[in-house]
Amino acid sequence: ETGVTQSPTHLIKTRGQQVTLRCSSQSGHNTVSWYQQALGQGPQFIFQYYREEENGRGNFPPRFSGLQFPNYSSELNVNALELDDSALYLCASSSGTSGTTQYFGPGTRLLVL
Amino acid sequence: GESVGLHLPTLSVQEGDNSIINCAYSNSASDYFIWYKQESGKGPQFIIDIRSNMDKRQGQRVTVLLNKTVKHLSLQIAATQPGDSAVYFCAENLRPNSGYALNFGKGTSLLVTP
Repeated sequence: ETGVTQSPTHLIKTRGQQVTLRCSSQSGHNTVSWYQQALGQGPQFIFQYYREEENGRGNFPPRFSGLQFPNYSSELNVNALELDDSALYLCASSSGTSGTTQYFGPGTRLLVL
Repeated sequence: GESVGLHLPTLSVQEGDNSIINCAYSNSASDYFIWYKQESGKGPQFIIDIRSNMDKRQGQRVTVLLNKTVKHLSLQIAATQPGDSAVYFCAENLRPNSGYALNFGKGTSLLVTP
């Protein structure tokens, strides 16, 4: 086990709704990255937070937003949900931004109907 | 990053044999690479990593080889066991405008038969 936890484990929403996913990083880690993994594909980078600031963003629209808190836990918010947002959402924590191992949590399975 | 459809490349090996999983990465400027194992319904699990100033690194039953000339990584698993059955991903650590993202390659499904 990595010590990275995510909640909830599963979630069902309908199109147009908003969702908030949560991640607690491993003790001692100050960086959290979020990924989206569609069925049968590799994880795709959404964004990264380092010391409460966004440190980079992948090719995702602005309706994907996030936060990092002083204890380094993080939230991923998705507004105006679309059917294609159905995926496994993974967060990963690391002790720095560059060249450090990212340890993944178990993910949140989101289904949008 | 690359994306695949629902049909992942599959490697089928017999228990006790050695497995070799290959991966091509995209960015010649990448300087850090990681192999992950992902079991069904779980998050990716760290296996082994390697930096670009190395060609080879060994762990317990696993070896990673890096060929920067052709941008190729391989993961060798010795004496493969049924518990090794999973999807394996290589990832490169990028620093484009998107922060220190991990760019995942195409996964390979490893099936270990008794």
